[in-house]
Amino acid sequence: DADVTQTPRNRITKTGKRIMLECSQTKGHDRMYWYRQDPGLGLRLIYYSFDVKDINKGEISDGYSVSRQAQAKFSLSLESAIPNQTALYFCATSDTRQGGETQYFGPGTRLLVL
Amino acid sequence: GENVEQHPSTLSVQEGDSAVIKCTYSDSASNYFPWYKQELGKRPQLIIDIRSNVGEKKDQRIAVTLNKTAKHFSLHITETQPEDSAVYFCAASIGSATNKLIFGTGTLLAVQP
Repeated sequence: DADVTQTPRNRITKTGKRIMLECSQTKGHDRMYWYRQDPGLGLRLIYYSFDVKDINKGEISDGYSVSRQAQAKFSLSLESAIPNQTALYFCATSDTRQGGETQYFGPGTRLLVL
Repeated sequence: GENVEQHPSTLSVQEGDSAVIKCTYSDSASNYFPWYKQELGKRPQLIIDIRSNVGEKKDQRIAVTLNKTAKHFSLHITETQPEDSAVYFCAASIGSATNKLIFGTGTLLAVQP
């Protein structure tokens, strides 16, 4: 779904570095989410936002922070990256105002922390 | 906390056979149960969902059944085709908030031609 984009698509960083993953959407959806995917663990919710200025912790928020700068943008930061944050990160959106529950995922960002 | 268990983790079937993937959930307040398909190297995409007020839903070759009493739900794919090969994730809403989901750990389905 080209309406949800993520940058970068791949990133290699070193332990202790601060990095930011960005998500943009042109769908006009109000809700945005960040998940991480690890083999054998499925998708786990890191943070979610129901609207601009609204931020909520998910299952595994420790070591991460987010910012919802505008309705269309939701960024995920790793303040001090560690190797066990190596994973595939997905952004997703949904639109509750239209009664929709479907979450639309971005293409993913593959992060390697050395 | 809330939990969703998914089985099996891998499933291999012959083309044309049926495939069944099962999930159980822990939160009795969950009321929305979507299934997502993730092809290799792609993003997850919704293929079917069911609400707690419905026991079964079908869409062509795929169907989902829900047993609220037992707190389990299943995905059924009939007449499997090679393009059905993918990882399938079940999910359950956290309480009645249908936009907050807990995902299962995924099932890798391989359809052998």
